Amino acid sequence: KNQVEQSPQSLIILEGKNCTLQCNYTVSPFSNLRWYKQDTGRGPVSLTIMTFSENTKSNGRYTATLDADTKQSSLHITASQLSDSASYICVVSASSNYQLIWGAGTKLIIKP
Amino acid sequence: GAVVSQHPSWVICKSGTSVKIECRSLDFQATTMFWYRQFPKQSLMLMATSNEGSKATYEQGVEKDKFLINHASLTLSTLTVTSAHPEDSSFYICSAPPVTGFEQYFGPGTRLTVT
Repeated sequence: KNQVEQSPQSLIILEGKNCTLQCNYTVSPFSNLRWYKQDTGRGPVSLTIMTFSENTKSNGRYTATLDADTKQSSLHITASQLSDSASYICVVSASSNYQLIWGAGTKLIIKP
Repeated sequence: GAVVSQHPSWVICKSGTSVKIECRSLDFQATTMFWYRQFPKQSLMLMATSNEGSKATYEQGVEKDKFLINHASLTLSTLTVTSAHPEDSSFYICSAPPVTGFEQYFGPGTRLTVT
């Protein structure tokens, strides 16, 4: 069964600190893995998309890694800001037909 | 980046009435659009895939007669919630992938409250 699991479920850190969110998947055949940021009451916004051959991809203070062998991905946030408070969702595509398998998300809260 | 809009952004309706939600790709064409539903503190759940020029494909457990989807053009898909009930209250989000590439662009969502 295709599944995406994220940890932790929620995380609270102080402004300026770094954090890393985890994503494990059992999706086959693998096409690509995405990280989205979703603010409360808003649609998801794409942070990174990685295909099988990509190990790391950065978008500003966000850096995603992918280990296709262990089927794990992480999202590292550097020097967190209050505006980083949101849900971060890991999504895996099993094929090129655009259907996505969604993780439950990690709710990140940045405190001043 | 590409923009997807939804209208309305929020709607309150009475039980038994129907509500139409529009999803538009503003600066690209999309032969396929996706409709999601999201309940509080949960992730997005795919409801259906909207295909321009053909019938929508519904996920298991989603009533096609209740959630009517019409992909009228390459830039517009509509979701009509018929005979809405309070349990249909949710956050509805559409997404559209451009013809090329992996990316999907999400609309801002529509908050539906059925009283």
